[in-house]
Amino acid sequence: QVQLQESGPGLVKPSGTLSLTCAVSGDSISSRNWWIWVRQPPGKGLEWIGEIFHSGTTNYSPSLFGRLTISVDKSKNQFSLTLNSVTAADTAVYYCARGLGLGSTTCLNFWGQGTLVTVSS
Amino acid sequence: QSVLTQPPSVSGAPGQRVTISCTGSGSNIGAGYDVHWYQQLPGTAPKLLISGNTNRPSGVPDRFSGSKSGTSASLAITGLQAEDEAEYYCQSYDSNLSGSRVFGGGTKLTVL
Repeated sequence: QVQLQESGPGLVKPSGTLSLTCAVSGDSISSRNWWIWVRQPPGKGLEWIGEIFHSGTTNYSPSLFGRLTISVDKSKNQFSLTLNSVTAADTAVYYCARGLGLGSTTCLNFWGQGTLVTVSS
Repeated sequence: QSVLTQPPSVSGAPGQRVTISCTGSGSNIGAGYDVHWYQQLPGTAPKLLISGNTNRPSGVPDRFSGSKSGTSASLAITGLQAEDEAEYYCQSYDSNLSGSRVFGGGTKLTVL
């Protein structure tokens, strides 16, 4: 059974950097799957943030392009998210997920439990 | 404003059938890209309910079914049960948004 676990600070100051890590167990980060970040602002819907393939290929949401970096650490079987210049609008529950399938057919078949990140001074 | 449009809410009595629509455009659902559905119970992470328009992952009851036609997709739930009360999201791929995956705005299902 694939399991994902997010970790990172729950509070980030405005204009600061949000950094989260997703530890993967039950599957190799080098498998032919996308490793994906999704966020959900309080009381709102899901927003796809971006994703990474084990080769290092990334896709980012156009709305976050320029502030977002997703990377993979094969030695630790985990992947990470870094979001710069955060504002209150970045306050959300952040989920990591495994994307099953390639290209446009990918669905998110395993999810972490999510971690709430609040941007506030 | 989500790229995929869902009704904010639907409701039904136990045992009834409800459907949730997901309307897109020619750059996503209408372009032939797959639609997936997720169920999010209160306070929990989303769970994959339907993949590839019509496929149920192992463990998902056959009361849940998906369909797709043109620029829209639908999730049907038959034999409604109290535990089906949740938020439901559709998801697809959009070729106009630099290869982005997109979610619908979500539909809150209330079991009366």
